[in-house]
Amino acid sequence: DTGVSQDPRHKITKRGQNVTFRCDPISEHNRLYWYRQTLGQGPEFLTYFQNEAQLEKSRLLSDRFSAERPKGSFSTLEIQRTEQGDSAMYLCASSLARGIFYNEQFFGPGTRLTVL
Amino acid sequence: DAKTTQPTSMDCAEGRAANLPCNHSTISGNEYVYWYRQIHSQGPQYIIHGLKNNETNEMASLIITEDRKSSTLILPHATLRDTAVYYCIVRATQVGYIFGTGTRLKVLA
Repeated sequence: DTGVSQDPRHKITKRGQNVTFRCDPISEHNRLYWYRQTLGQGPEFLTYFQNEAQLEKSRLLSDRFSAERPKGSFSTLEIQRTEQGDSAMYLCASSLARGIFYNEQFFGPGTRLTVL
Repeated sequence: DAKTTQPTSMDCAEGRAANLPCNHSTISGNEYVYWYRQIHSQGPQYIIHGLKNNETNEMASLIITEDRKSSTLILPHATLRDTAVYYCIVRATQVGYIFGTGTRLKVLA
């Protein structure tokens, strides 16, 4: 399978614990995105990388959240001191830059986080 | 970014065409219109995109009005597997999409 993969698919944790999610993008894609989706809502943009550089972060990304893409390939999203409000589906997407105005993103299956 | 407006839900009979409208009256000249769908518990799936001209691919057709203030996604022969939430997104730059709440399409047998 050459699509975007995410690991784990499901994570249950207790409030206050740290969690880390991994995303492996499509291999030649230089852009990688993280989104969060709560029940009944569309995905919300969190942050994105061009190669290894994190170029934009949403206001939704509090200081408890950190994302890395150390070698411009896979990415990790860490949430420290989880809260019940962090319970959501965390989606990763990747794209291949084709100029400024065209950007088709391919999404992974998501990681569903439940904070007890 | 342009704001999009979509109906909350729609039904379509299996085998018939499903026409999903989207209003984006504040769209600017360099903004593309993207359509994605999300089947329950899966990540969004790309369907089609366009700028000015109508577009067709193996999944769907996209009709964009001449003033670009609205568009319609057409699934020509809907099947039960097309039941999903469909999102219309207008995007100009390379940063993240802004999704709305989409249209929940239910294909009926």
